[in-house]
Amino acid sequence: QQPVQSPQAVILREGEDAVINCSSSKALYSVHWYRQKHGEAPVFLMILLKGGEQKGHDKISASFNEKKQQSSLYLTASQLSYSGTYFCGTAFNAGNMLTFGGGTRLMVKP
Amino acid sequence: DTGVSQDPRHKITKRGQNVTFRCDPISEHNRLYWYRQTLGQGPEFLTYFQNEAQLEKSRLLSDRFSAERPKGSFSTLEIQRTEQGDSAMYLCASIAGRSNTEAFFGQGTRLTVV
Repeated sequence: QQPVQSPQAVILREGEDAVINCSSSKALYSVHWYRQKHGEAPVFLMILLKGGEQKGHDKISASFNEKKQQSSLYLTASQLSYSGTYFCGTAFNAGNMLTFGGGTRLMVKP
Repeated sequence: DTGVSQDPRHKITKRGQNVTFRCDPISEHNRLYWYRQTLGQGPEFLTYFQNEAQLEKSRLLSDRFSAERPKGSFSTLEIQRTEQGDSAMYLCASIAGRSNTEAFFGQGTRLTVV
């Protein structure tokens, strides 16, 4: 089952904040977040494991709500370099492959 | 360590022809994944290897698709009798042993079937 991402697209001004959500209808083992720029490979951002943890580095952080089977990616004080498409990838158990959502296209304008 | 490499980067083929793509994962990464990505969509899982064993294959994968990882190192993905609907970016990713670590993606092979 493919996770559902929302919103599908976001346009921000530099310095503004954004939240991207990823929801699953099935119990998750882990959630992975990636960013992909046009014509490039997806680049890893972070992993969250079941247990409801929260992670972050610099101005990008994420949470995982195990009860809701939902993860959220928080981008604060956005920079031009944050532009790209953000994908969440979900796994249902430790040995499972990643299933990716449809992506959220983020554009940060000066 | 130069990351995951894929070859070729671009492939244009006529409908009905066979194509083969190669992926060289990061050395010592025992898990290797193939994904397909079309414009505006997320990567779609195709198949997955742990060492040389193909552990999972998407039900979306028709019999025209086959993948191998003969020695647990590089992998090949072959598409026989290509169709226009096969046009997409084919991505390879490798993961070190544990599942709760990041997947490293290659630059992909862009296939265009004309």
